Formats: sequence, structure tokens, C-alpha cells
Amino acid sequence: TQLLEQSPQFLSIQEGENLTVYCNSSSVFSSLQWYRQEPGEGPVLLVTVVTGGEVKKLKRLTFQFGDARKDSSLHITAAQTGDTGLYLCAGDYQAGTALIFGKGTTLSVSS
Amino acid sequence: KAGVTQTPRYLIKTRGQQVTLSCSPISGHRSVSWYQQTPGQGLQFLFEYFSETQRNKGNFPGRFSGRQFSNSRSEMNVSTLELGDSALYLCASSSFGPYNEQFFGPGTRLTVL
Repeated sequence: TQLLEQSPQFLSIQEGENLTVYCNSSSVFSSLQWYRQEPGEGPVLLVTVVTGGEVKKLKRLTFQFGDARKDSSLHITAAQTGDTGLYLCAGDYQAGTALIFGKGTTLSVSS
Repeated sequence: KAGVTQTPRYLIKTRGQQVTLSCSPISGHRSVSWYQQTPGQGLQFLFEYFSETQRNKGNFPGRFSGRQFSNSRSEMNVSTLELGDSALYLCASSSFGPYNEQFFGPGTRLTVL
């Protein structure tokens, strides 16, 4: 059974701080996705990473895929209150199978 | 393009009843997946339909069932509701791309009393 471990589970920081959240597995992903979910809404896709070592940037968010394609990280620079939400990673292990989601990191950014 | 829509948004049922939830995917998307989200278990996959056929199934009891219509709209049914079925039920659609990227609806909040 493939598992995706996300850490930390909860994170509470002040506006302007930097943070990193992690997504790890013992299995190799064919691709990995990051989503953000705000209260009362469904998750929204932020990025898909495919190649080992790949780095993608989305404004203040930087996503990295591990060289071995077993782990990923999300780094937020100078967090804002609008970054508050649940961050989920999801791994695609094999074409045609369902995505496996981690339990998420709940981020709270206060002003 | 309009996003994924789900109806109803909120539902209150009692134990033993059954419930049907509806999902309309993004136009052109033929794959629809259903997920259950709870604080303790996170987002868990229920099943996926593609062109009216169930393509993948998660580890849920047979009380949970679904179907997809020729216009790609999907319904999910839960029979003999239990208190533990209280959750946010999310529907997601995806296009025929290589990475199974999911586009989620806002969810249906089901409360079982």
C-alpha cells in the first residue's frame, strides 16, 4: 500500500515568515501534484511536477521534486494571510490508477 | 469554462436512510472521481468513472455506489447511512491528460444524525 506522509501536520506563523512543508513516500511517483484547499471549498490544483529534481515557481511558492521522485517540498516565501489553507500533495504512482493523497498540512498565517 | 458543480451543498440525514449526491463535471471532461474527506482520515478515494464505466475503486463498503451518465454527469449513492458517514464528499473531474490532474467541486457536506 502506497502512503504519502506530509509534515508538519499543522503550522501557525506570522505574516512575512518563510516556511517549508514536506511530502514523502517510500514509493516512486510518476508525477506529484500539490493542491490548496480553503474552508468550505474543494482543493485547487497548484502545480504538477514530473521530472526528478524539477523546481517550479508560482509567485512566492516554490515546489521541488526529489531526485529519486519519492519526495517533494513546498516552500513559501514571505507568507501572507491569503496563504492560509490546507495544503495537500497527491501522488500518481501508475498510469490509470487513482491518485493517493496525503493528509495535508494546515497552514495558518496571522497578521 | 464553468467549474465542477455539486448538489446539494449541505445535507442532513438520519441513520439508516440513503442519500444521492450529484456532480456535473467541467465540459469536455469524461472522468469523474469521488472522494470522502474527514478530519481524521483526510481525503480518501471512493471511485472513478470514465465513459460510464467504473475504472477505479477505493476501499469502501458496498453501501457506497456510483454511476455516470452519457453526458458525464455522475451520481453517488450511500445506502443505510451510519454516523461515520458524516463527511465532506468531493467530486473531481479530469481531462484525458497524462497526469490525472483533478478539478474539484465545492463538495457536499453530509451530516448523519
